[in-house]
Amino acid sequence: GAGVSQSPRYKVAKRGQDVALRCDPISGHVSLFWYQQALGQGPEFLTYFQNEAQLDKSGLPSDRFFAERPEGSVSTLKIQRTQQEDSAVYLCASSPPTSGGTPNTGELFFGEGSRLTVL
Amino acid sequence: GIQVEQSPPDLILQEGANSTLRCNFSDSVNNLQWFHQNPWGQLINLFYIPSGTKQNGRLSATTVATERYSLLYISSSQTTDSGVYFCAVQKTSYDKVIFGPGTSLSVIP
Repeated sequence: GAGVSQSPRYKVAKRGQDVALRCDPISGHVSLFWYQQALGQGPEFLTYFQNEAQLDKSGLPSDRFFAERPEGSVSTLKIQRTQQEDSAVYLCASSPPTSGGTPNTGELFFGEGSRLTVL
Repeated sequence: GIQVEQSPPDLILQEGANSTLRCNFSDSVNNLQWFHQNPWGQLINLFYIPSGTKQNGRLSATTVATERYSLLYISSSQTTDSGVYFCAVQKTSYDKVIFGPGTSLSVIP
């Protein structure tokens, strides 16, 4: 597609429910990043994929958070047994490869985000 | 890991004024980017500027990689410039991209 697409845009969950957030990156971008942005804060890194490989998941706050990208394109961020502190905007970004063959230029293109509210 | 600082944290400008926002980082980086987050939450790419100077209309940016800082200049500010400005850095192409805490700008008529 023309840009990074995220769905749903808004999600309200009851505490304890599982949620799944989807990201469809720009075509041809092998690198995909997930961020969490709490109200009034900057985006905080969650995890990073190069194709289907999850190269860094150091930012995932707990084992309730899980991300996958099985075919190296669409990615899903899953949060199990949601808690109120999980309420945030979840941002996805993709980055194009360089002409020299390194996985990404580091230039991020963001989707509009998925706003999660846990009641 | 790399630490990213931005200053000032908050800025209020009269419409038409100029401003300079600063981003300092604690280690060498391959990539640096400036974003504007509008009031609707969308992160808009302003500059991809690992080094050197770029200009786009009323905005320009300079990165001095050897001294580990970048500056974003806003001239003749408009109310639509309001929002939060973030810089983000990446050490190598195999690393995560780290955001600074942002500068919140309010431009008043």
